[in-house]
Amino acid sequence: SQTIHQWPATLVQPVGSPLSLECTVEGTSNPNLYWYRQAAGRGLQLLFYSVGIGQISSEVPQNLSASRPQDRQFILSSKKLLLSDSGFYLCAWSRTAVEVGDTQYFGPGTRLTVL
Amino acid sequence: ILNVEQSPQSLHVQEGDSTNFTCSFPSSNFYALHWYRWETAKSPEALFVMTLNGDEKKKGRISATLNTKEGYSYLYIKGSQPEDSATYLCARGGNDYKLSFGAGTTVTVRA
Repeated sequence: SQTIHQWPATLVQPVGSPLSLECTVEGTSNPNLYWYRQAAGRGLQLLFYSVGIGQISSEVPQNLSASRPQDRQFILSSKKLLLSDSGFYLCAWSRTAVEVGDTQYFGPGTRLTVL
Repeated sequence: ILNVEQSPQSLHVQEGDSTNFTCSFPSSNFYALHWYRWETAKSPEALFVMTLNGDEKKKGRISATLNTKEGYSYLYIKGSQPEDSATYLCARGGNDYKLSFGAGTTVTVRA
């Protein structure tokens, strides 16, 4: 069976500090990978998605970047955090495009607080 | 409708009562409509995926319907139980790999 891991679970960082959140998937090959953010009182916003190693699509211009150095590893980064980066970050995976709009499976999330 | 919208934002229901809520979405370039349940301190869990107009899906006491022509889906909870308390998210899949999520309906079941 497939599992998805995210770490850390919670993170408190000062404004201006760097960020690295990691997501790994087990039990599947060549998944599509996604980073979402839920800001307080709002829905899930898609930040980045990747259909393969080194292939990153950005949905929203922002202070964040993503990388996919290995098939099942997806990293969310920032060089300098802003207060507005606070939120709950979710990583998700789906099968390689067998069908568009395929079900996405979510990790446990990271609660980021920028002070 | 330009975005995925869910209503109401939150609702309270007495244990044993039934309830339903709505997801509205753009009907153009529609491929799939997903429902997820997101319990506190857990990951969103996939409930249903529906693709065809008139689709109905059922999982235990929870069911969903889909109208792709007018762009809406209903989710029903029959005989609500405390364990049904969660935020229910709907998401629209278009002709790409992305899902557009609504803000969710938070259901609180009172014993």
